[in-house]
Amino acid sequence: GAVVSQHPSWVICKSGTSVKIECRSLDFQATTMFWYRQFPKQSLMLMATSNEGSKATYEQGVEKDKFLINHASLTLSTLTVTSAHPEDSSFYICSAYQGSEQFFGPGTRLTVL
Amino acid sequence: GDSVTQMEGPVTLSEEAFLTINCTYTATGYPSLFWYVQYPGEGLQLLLKATKADDKGSNKGFEATYRKETTSFHLEKGSVQVSDSAVYFCALRGNDMRFGAGTRLTVKP
Repeated sequence: GAVVSQHPSWVICKSGTSVKIECRSLDFQATTMFWYRQFPKQSLMLMATSNEGSKATYEQGVEKDKFLINHASLTLSTLTVTSAHPEDSSFYICSAYQGSEQFFGPGTRLTVL
Repeated sequence: GDSVTQMEGPVTLSEEAFLTINCTYTATGYPSLFWYVQYPGEGLQLLLKATKADDKGSNKGFEATYRKETTSFHLEKGSVQVSDSAVYFCALRGNDMRFGAGTRLTVKP
């Protein structure tokens, strides 16, 4: 099946700094990618839909100025957590569709100290 | 809105035991239903799916039947293996994807 990669797989940062997470579709093009957040022992929560060449669509309650999404090419979407705080610590997962099937990246664990 | 409820874990079984993980949903319309599996350190992988009522999805010995009358999509496997240890997510796709909270399964030798 199709492969979606994320980088980095884990990151630790200080409070107040910004962190960028990359999501790539390795063997297919994706005009739309999705960013999820997963809290411990909880489900995936859709944060935003990333659209190539246009603005991302954010879910209700997600701060667009805090979670900046850029989808500059058909194979790359980035999520930047700006001015990160400890409550932003979570597991961030991206996904993309190839055809009718959704493929997920391995996730990025963010820890904000 | 659409939602998915699955049984809380963790679930611990001995090898070759029978597995059931319950999943129920609420949705308007006729969603597609999925089970995803997440192995340690990896992303979610599609395990099986069903797109309409009475469809049975199956893969790797796992199966689930789309039951519209009970709004359920329970995951079953007749004989689990240690390698089945993972977190299992039930999900539906209506207007968008909705996931259950996940059920951690540990299979002991």
